[in-house]
Amino acid sequence: NAGVTQTPKFQVLKTGQSMTLQCAQDMNHNSMYWYRQDPGMGLRLIYYSASEGTTDKGEVPNGYNVSRLNKREFSLRLESAAPSQTSVYFCASSEGGVLETQYFGPGTRLLVL
Amino acid sequence: GNSVTQMEGPVTLSEEAFLTINCTYTATGYPSLFWYVQYPGEGLQLLLKATKADDKGSNKGFEATYRKETTSFHLEKGSVQVSDSAVYFCALSDRAAAGNKLTFGGGTRVLVKP
Repeated sequence: NAGVTQTPKFQVLKTGQSMTLQCAQDMNHNSMYWYRQDPGMGLRLIYYSASEGTTDKGEVPNGYNVSRLNKREFSLRLESAAPSQTSVYFCASSEGGVLETQYFGPGTRLLVL
Repeated sequence: GNSVTQMEGPVTLSEEAFLTINCTYTATGYPSLFWYVQYPGEGLQLLLKATKADDKGSNKGFEATYRKETTSFHLEKGSVQVSDSAVYFCALSDRAAAGNKLTFGGGTRVLVKP
């Protein structure tokens, strides 16, 4: 089992460019999440999908969109990148119950110039 | 709203020293509490968790006790190794909220020197 995989590992964008971060899990999990990690601020939830076909905003959704393509895949799109979106992005998945462990991917490091 | 506060790092220790990382929380409901660890260049992985007051989570020599009266979940290890060098995150999950969302503290970087 690969667990949670993310592509790309690293990306450099210019302000105003768009891109999609891909995430896939092979654990048959119901719920999937996108976080961003910034120094000293821990991880903050951008969007989540409690189950296939549903998505909801997290703490910092502005400037992002998501798609739950199927049960396995959950993508994050930046339509017009800004320097404030320079961060490390983590995807996670879980069974979905309130006590369930979240499993994280290795992260995507994004630099917006 | 919910929040998690943990001590800022970096914490630098010698091998076999005792490690404590403080974590306190504010929650509107009755949360579950977690410690996640992030090794260099990797994603986060669950270290331990506790779901109710006075529960003790433990794993790999680390322990943390859910203290409702002091709203704390401090992480401890009696004798650290170089391989414990990592960033440690305290987190809570509000069982009343949909989607099993986690609220994280800012992370504490730990460096263990030989």
